[in-house]
Amino acid sequence: SQTIHQWPATLVQPVGSPLSLECTVEGTSNPNLYWYRQAAGRGLQLLFYSVGIGQISSEVPQNLSASRPQDRQFILSSKKLLLSDSGFYLCAGSRANLNTEAFFGQGTRLTVV
Amino acid sequence: LAKTTQPISMDSYEGQEVNITCSHNNIATNDYITWYQQFPSQGPRFIIQGYKTKVTNEVASLFIPADRKSSTLSLPRVSLSDTAVYYCLVDDGRNFNKFYFGSGTKLNVKP
Repeated sequence: SQTIHQWPATLVQPVGSPLSLECTVEGTSNPNLYWYRQAAGRGLQLLFYSVGIGQISSEVPQNLSASRPQDRQFILSSKKLLLSDSGFYLCAGSRANLNTEAFFGQGTRLTVV
Repeated sequence: LAKTTQPISMDSYEGQEVNITCSHNNIATNDYITWYQQFPSQGPRFIIQGYKTKVTNEVASLFIPADRKSSTLSLPRVSLSDTAVYYCLVDDGRNFNKFYFGSGTKLNVKP
């Protein structure tokens, strides 16, 4: 079965500091990968998705960027964090075929102070 | 991309059957309907997927009428541990399987 490893579970960062969240995938090759953000009590907002190495599509203009240096590695970054970047960040994957479901990591709770 | 509409919240009691309905009036011919469950501070988890009529697995049943403009997730005999947010998604997967989650339905199971 497919598994997403995501770390850290919680993170507190000062405003203006950089960010790097990493997730890795097990159990499938050439997956589609996603980064989501969830504000408290809200739904999931799709931030980035990737269909392959080096291929990144952004859904929402923001202070964040994503990279996919390897097939099973997806990284979310920021050069300078804002207070509004606080939230619950989730990495997800799916098999690269039609009508498949998404599988999620455990998430990272980011608090920018 | 078909838009989905779900109730914001629902209350139930342990042992009851819970039915959560999702409206998707603009569903396209190739669209599938998928439901996810999310516990606090965890990522969503796939529950069930269907295209038409009825689908059942060990966790839930999914009922889809002939016009496919709505779907109902049925949870038999809920327990306190079923308290979660439930999301309905509609997509044909052609758009690189971009999964758009709405606000979902917050199910609160009471003792």
